[in-house]
Amino acid sequence: GQQLNQSPQSMFIQEGEDVSMNCTSSSIFNTWLWYKQEPGEGPVLLIALYKAGELTSNGRLTAQFGITRKDSFLNISASIPSDVGIYFCAGKETSGSRLTFGEGTQLTVNP
Amino acid sequence: GAGVSQSPSNKVTEKGKDVELRCDPISGHTALYWYRQSLGQGLEFLIYFQGNSAPDKSGLPSDRFSAERTGGSVSTLTIQRTQQEDSAVYLCASSLRYIEAYSGNTIYFGEGSWLTVV
Repeated sequence: GQQLNQSPQSMFIQEGEDVSMNCTSSSIFNTWLWYKQEPGEGPVLLIALYKAGELTSNGRLTAQFGITRKDSFLNISASIPSDVGIYFCAGKETSGSRLTFGEGTQLTVNP
Repeated sequence: GAGVSQSPSNKVTEKGKDVELRCDPISGHTALYWYRQSLGQGLEFLIYFQGNSAPDKSGLPSDRFSAERTGGSVSTLTIQRTQQEDSAVYLCASSLRYIEAYSGNTIYFGEGSWLTVV
């Protein structure tokens, strides 16, 4: 099925470093969501974005809805070991009922 | 319940058998979604229910897959004559209503049903 282009596929960082990941789409989206998934769990919503240009923070996490409406990024500042997991972006096109997910970014944080 | 509940959490079945996966959405949520996640992959949309409207079945991979939602609440995803490529995590999610821009609606996931076809 259709998927977003999410990068990077994986990241290995040291505790305390900042992290950035992004998603791009060939379609215009009116909603961007960022999820985190830990082993054996379902995805948990981190940040929701609904307006082009919107910049939203949730603790050490910051995400932005690109002004072209075809991209979004997620930043994690001062990473800690519990940030480990798979981060997914998801977007919804202007028409239609489904969320399309990226393939995920596997984050590993070394203490 | 407090969250989306799925059962069984794990299912191992023989190739060719039928399986049923159950989802209890968050109480009051009218929209319900099924996604499939293969090992190391993103989430693949399967089907979407919104209230009494006809479901969006456009993501179902074959006619072996079907889903029902009875009484606007509990949903069952059925896979007939299972194949090994059906092995995946099947995730159910719900939202207060069809997710709309600017509305602040969010979609909440269950923990998934891990299906292994041997």
